[in-house]
Amino acid sequence: AQTVTQSQPEMSVQEAETVTLSCTYDTSENNYYLFWYKQPPSRQMILVIRQEAYKQQNATENRFSVNFQKAAKSFSLKISDSQLGDTAMYFCAFMKRGNSGYALNFGKGTSLLVTP
Amino acid sequence: GAGVSQSPSNKVTEKGKDVELRCDPISGHTALYWYRQSLGQGLEFLIYFQGNSAPDKSGLPSDRFSAERTGGSVSTLTIQRTQQEDSAVYLCASSQGARPSTDTQYFGPGTRLTVL
Repeated sequence: AQTVTQSQPEMSVQEAETVTLSCTYDTSENNYYLFWYKQPPSRQMILVIRQEAYKQQNATENRFSVNFQKAAKSFSLKISDSQLGDTAMYFCAFMKRGNSGYALNFGKGTSLLVTP
Repeated sequence: GAGVSQSPSNKVTEKGKDVELRCDPISGHTALYWYRQSLGQGLEFLIYFQGNSAPDKSGLPSDRFSAERTGGSVSTLTIQRTQQEDSAVYLCASSQGARPSTDTQYFGPGTRLTVL
C-alpha cells in the first residue's frame, strides 16, 4: 500500500509571501501520479496541480509550483504571492492504476492560513 | 456546465437507522468514486465505478456499506444500521475517463453524516 505523509498539520503565511507545504510518500511503483488538492471551508475539493512521475520537469500552475524529487519520494507545493483566498486545507495525494481504477490515496492534510 | 452534486448536504440520523447518500456526476463522466473524510481517518477511498460496474469493493469499511450506480450516471451509497463511527463527510468524485494524466477527478461538496 502507498502511504502519503504531510508532516505539517498547520501553517501560516502573510499575504504576498511564499510558503512551501511538504509531502512525502512511500511506494515501490515506478509509474504513478501525484496531486495537490485544496479544500476550502465549502468542503469542495479542488485540484491545484498534478505531476506525472515519469516527467522530470516540475509542474507549475500560475502561482503554484511543485518540487518533485522522485528518488527522495518528496513532492512539496510552493505557493507564491499568497492570497487570502488560498486559506484552506491542502491535501497531497498519490494515484496509480489498480483494481480501484485510479483512486486517490490522500495525506492527512495541512491547514494553511493566509493572514493580511 | 454543472459540477458534481450530492444530496443531502447534511444528514442527521439515529444509530441503527439506514441512510442513502446520492451523487450526481458530471454528465458524460464514466468513472465515479466515493471517499469518506473523517477526523480520525482522514480521507479514505471507498469504492470506484467504471460505468455501472464496481470492480473493487474492498475499500468499503463493512458489509453495512453498499453502493450502486445506474444508467452510468447517478450513484447511491447506502449505509445500513448506522453506527456512530460512520459519522463523516462522504465525498463523491467523477472523471471523464480513466487516464490520470488528463482525467481530473472533480469532487462534489459532500454529505455530512452525523449519527447520534
